[in-house]
Amino acid sequence: GQQVMQIPQYQHVQEGEDFTTYCNSSTTLSNIQWYKQRPGGHPVFLIQLVKSGEVKKQKRLTFQFGEAKKNSSLHITATQTTDVGTYFCAVPGGFGNEKLTFGTGTRLTIIP
Amino acid sequence: NAGVTQTPKFQVLKTGQSMTLQCAQDMNHEYMSWYRQDPGMGLRLIHYSVGAGITDQGEVPNGYNVSRSTTEDFPLRLLSAAPSQTSVYFCASSRTGGYYGYTFGSGTRLTVV
Repeated sequence: GQQVMQIPQYQHVQEGEDFTTYCNSSTTLSNIQWYKQRPGGHPVFLIQLVKSGEVKKQKRLTFQFGEAKKNSSLHITATQTTDVGTYFCAVPGGFGNEKLTFGTGTRLTIIP
Repeated sequence: NAGVTQTPKFQVLKTGQSMTLQCAQDMNHEYMSWYRQDPGMGLRLIHYSVGAGITDQGEVPNGYNVSRSTTEDFPLRLLSAAPSQTSVYFCASSRTGGYYGYTFGSGTRLTVV
């Protein structure tokens, strides 16, 4: 099945610093989704990227889809304590999104 | 709208017992999935369904059964619980195509002793 590598596994940053997590696939992706899971919570859908080179912004979050559609990144500018959690990318595990394969996630902790 | 509702929230089972984790959604979503989450392993797909009467296996289906008799409900059955099934289980649903993201339930924390 589809596999996706996500790095780093952990990231500790001072409040106000930037944060980036990366997802890499060995195959071309039709789309990629990003989720956030707060400690003790459930994953929450953030965004989906579909087009080659696509860039989408949500306030301090910037999502990019690589030109070859094999990698993606999530960048958070000026982190806040509310950004704490684990960020997952998810890619189609089959023909479409009927089965998603999740990356192992990047756990972000903020040092106040 | 309640979204995706999972019951129970917590459960302790003895090895060999069986039980059903319930999942219901009120968004008329066609796609539904069950994931398990273990530390350091991310979310792994157990079973999924693209509509009532249609189910298929995911990455880790052994020891679990599902059925989808209605659009709303997608129960997960543990046939004979084993300690290796200790995990947090999430049910999720999505509109057809899955292109608008999945909505997750709040999870069931299962411990098998």
